[in-house]
Amino acid sequence: AQTVTQSQPEMSVQEAETVTLSCTYDTSESDYYLFWYKQPPSRQMILVIRQEAYKQQNATENRFSVNFQKAAKSFSLKISDSQLGDAAMYFCAYRSRPGANNLFFGTGTRLTVIP
Amino acid sequence: ETGVTQSPTHLIKTRGQQVTLRCSSQSGHNTVSWYQQALGQGPQFIFQYYREEENGRGNFPPRFSGLQFPNYSSELNVNALELDDSALYLCASSENRGSVYNEQFFGPGTRLTVL
Repeated sequence: AQTVTQSQPEMSVQEAETVTLSCTYDTSESDYYLFWYKQPPSRQMILVIRQEAYKQQNATENRFSVNFQKAAKSFSLKISDSQLGDAAMYFCAYRSRPGANNLFFGTGTRLTVIP
Repeated sequence: ETGVTQSPTHLIKTRGQQVTLRCSSQSGHNTVSWYQQALGQGPQFIFQYYREEENGRGNFPPRFSGLQFPNYSSELNVNALELDDSALYLCASSENRGSVYNEQFFGPGTRLTVL
């Protein structure tokens, strides 16, 4: 079974600084997707970034980038130039490819941005 | 384009009662997935509906059941409510295109409290 572990329940960062959120996962599959989702107080899950396991290049979306280490089963999220609007719960998630479309989520990291 | 909507926003029930939660999928989407997010946890997959048929189920008992309608909207029904059913229930819609990647778009959730 796939498991996703986020070992940092809470993190904080100064506005304009950089922060890295950690995620590890366990799977016996070789092809899969990894995601970072943001859940603000409004509760709606918003996709931040996606990584396909077969791609060696780390995904980047504006100020958000990942460090994907497939052999180590590690998938961290780096937020650069942190903004007040980045404050939220961040969830790491795994999805088989191909297969059912269900996502396996970690327990989340609460990010606080300090002005 | 209308996003994923869920109703009601909040709901309070007592143990043993039954509840129905509703989800309207995003325009053009034929698949709806339901997740349960307990307080302080990541979402857990309940089941998925594709073209009105259940298409995958997580580790939830049969008292969790669902429906999908011809317009691809969906209902989640929970019978014999237990205190542990208190959670945020999220639905996510997507366009199933076979092996091609399809993003899941989440609704704002329904907060269920069981007393």
